[in-house]
Amino acid sequence: EAQVTQNPRYLITVTGKKLTVTCSQNMNHEYMSWYRQDPGLGLRQIYYSMNVEVTDKGDVPEGYKVSRKEKRNFPLILESPSPNQTSLYFCASTDQLAYEQYFGPGTRLTVT
Amino acid sequence: GENVEQHPSTLSVQEGDSAVIKCTYSDSASNYFPWYKQELGKRPQLIIDIRSNVGEKKDQRIAVTLNKTAKHFSLHITETQPEDSAVYFCAASMPGTASKLTFGTGTRLQVTL
Repeated sequence: EAQVTQNPRYLITVTGKKLTVTCSQNMNHEYMSWYRQDPGLGLRQIYYSMNVEVTDKGDVPEGYKVSRKEKRNFPLILESPSPNQTSLYFCASTDQLAYEQYFGPGTRLTVT
Repeated sequence: GENVEQHPSTLSVQEGDSAVIKCTYSDSASNYFPWYKQELGKRPQLIIDIRSNVGEKKDQRIAVTLNKTAKHFSLHITETQPEDSAVYFCAASMPGTASKLTFGTGTRLQVTL
């Protein structure tokens, strides 16, 4: 089954404790992205990647890091999480021909 | 960068009525305009999209129209049903950047019986 998976699905952590949210896709897509979703603000892109070892900033990259060492994986790293990073995070991979983005199930992060 | 504005933020219609959601974009170079539907607690899913070389596209009860001159595009849902209740997001991207998508802030559609 074609899918995008994220782990963990829920995470409560404390300010400053480094964390990684994993994202994996099995559709052989070259393009992958990370979004955060906040009430009233919609989906805002954090980072995107157009290929292995190729990443670029989206609209709200501050406080986040990403890496793309393998085509299927695109982890999101928060080196020093702060409460304003409490949000719902979605990973997505893109069919570069059809342009459709396939979203993962989401990770709800709470930083206290 | 691209800026996408979406209106209204909430919309309530009676079952069977039509619903229209409108979006404007800022960068005339944008050429791809998808609409995503997000049901409560679920992930966004593509429902329809349009490219800038097309003015209108229909898929059963949903349609999207694009006015490149005015830089706006709209989602039309006819004969609404309770299962259409969800949050709808418009988005825009530019040529060669399928991964760089800018979303609107969303419209919560409520279809009442």
